[in-house]
Amino acid sequence: KAGVTQTPRYLIKTRGQQVTLSCSPISGHRSVSWYQQTPGQGLQFLFEYFSETQRNKGNFPGRFSGRQFSNSRSEMNVSTLELGDSALYLCASTGTGTSYEQYFGPGTRLTVT
Amino acid sequence: AQSVTQLGSHVSVSEGALVLLRCNYSSSVPPYLFWYVQYPNQGLQLLLKYTSAATLVKGINGFEAEFKKSETSFHLTKPSAHMSDAAEYFCAVSSRSGGSYIPTFGRGTSLIVHP
Repeated sequence: KAGVTQTPRYLIKTRGQQVTLSCSPISGHRSVSWYQQTPGQGLQFLFEYFSETQRNKGNFPGRFSGRQFSNSRSEMNVSTLELGDSALYLCASTGTGTSYEQYFGPGTRLTVT
Repeated sequence: AQSVTQLGSHVSVSEGALVLLRCNYSSSVPPYLFWYVQYPNQGLQLLLKYTSAATLVKGINGFEAEFKKSETSFHLTKPSAHMSDAAEYFCAVSSRSGGSYIPTFGRGTSLIVHP
C-alpha cells in the first residue's frame, strides 16, 4: 500500500496570506489527523476528521480549519498567516482495525515571511 | 488528561554503546504507548507500541521498550547504537476518547551517535 502523502512538501508564504495543505491517507483509512510541529512547542494536535466530519479538535485559533472529502483525502487551511505559523505540518491516517495506530506523512514545511 | 515527559532533550552515545531514552507518562485510564522516530525533513515512523499485551515490546531496528506500570515509564533501549540511529525520538501516550485515540507526544529526544 502507498503511504500517507502530503502536498506540497515545501511552501513559502507572506504574512496575511492564506494557505491550503493537502493530505491523502493510506487507502482504506478513514481517519485523518493534523499536527503542527515547531521547535518551541513540539508536536501539537490540530484536528481529526473521520468520514468527512471533524471528530476532535485541538486548541488552535479559528484561523486553522480543515475538511475531509468523501475519498478520505483531507485539506487544512490557515488564513491570515502569522510568522508564528511557520512549522512542519504533519498529517496522519488511522485504519479502523487498529484505531490507535497512526501513520504519518512526510509533512509540509511552511515558512511565513 | 494525559501527558508525557521525556527526560533529556539530547542523548549522546558512542557507536556500539547502549541506547537508553527515557519516557514517563501520566494517564487516567490504561494507556497505549508508542515510540516514534523522526529523521530530518521526514514524518514520524512508528518504532514500537504497547497495547496492554506483553510488557516488553520489541520494535524495528533492534529497539525495545518495557512498560512498567508502577513507575509509569516506557523507556526505549537498544543494546548497540549504530550511526544510522541518529534521529529525533518521540514517546507518545494515547487513550480512548470518544471514537478516537489522539496521542499526546513528548517533547522529543535527539539521539546523537559518535563514531
